[in-house]
Amino acid sequence: QSVLTQPPSVSAAPGQKVTISCSGSSSNIGNNYVSWYQQLPGTAPKLLIYDNNERPSGIPDRFSGSKSGTSATLGITGLQTGDEADYYCGTVDSLRGWVFGGGTKLTVL
Amino acid sequence: EVQLVESGGGLVQPGGSLRLSCAASGITFSNYAMRWVRQAPGKGLEWVSSITGRGDRTFYTDSLKGRFTVSRDNSKNTLYLQMNSLGAEDTAVYYCAKVGDYSCMDVWGKGTTVTVSS
Repeated sequence: QSVLTQPPSVSAAPGQKVTISCSGSSSNIGNNYVSWYQQLPGTAPKLLIYDNNERPSGIPDRFSGSKSGTSATLGITGLQTGDEADYYCGTVDSLRGWVFGGGTKLTVL
Repeated sequence: EVQLVESGGGLVQPGGSLRLSCAASGITFSNYAMRWVRQAPGKGLEWVSSITGRGDRTFYTDSLKGRFTVSRDNSKNTLYLQMNSLGAEDTAVYYCAKVGDYSCMDVWGKGTTVTVSS
């Protein structure tokens, strides 16, 4: 069982918007920066969001992040079939080092 | 361009040992902390270990029970993971990642596969 809780799966139609939640506690999300990672099938993870809501160079603004209290959210607008992937949140945990969410599989219907 | 290339994976018998390497290029390696992350077949990401840029501090996930040791040789721009007393639960793809701003992992290698089986 992961320290950070994500929904196992989400789905939406092309062009629509989807959000993925990541719930934690004061030992992790509540007092640290959240990052999000995209893992396309058969590939290594890739940084999508850091510092709760910042996008690295090259990541389109269709991807956004937010944080409130002990929860974080990844938003994806204008869904494309190429966005089908597993998405993971992660952050420092003062008790455990670094923790990931269990991952969310995005299906673009 | 920053690149991380893992190597050293393979098939090992239960109870055996393996040393993984991660060669970095395109960065001043000693300036950055590094992490190992693994992914068991069909499962999510699991943080394994971290090491500071100078290599003077190391951190591990609790479940390893002291079986793994992370180290680095900054003169060779290489990160290592020595894995001992391997069990089936260690079967996974092992990724190395560079620690970036705000503790994120901003560059990942393609991974190396470790299979523990008799």
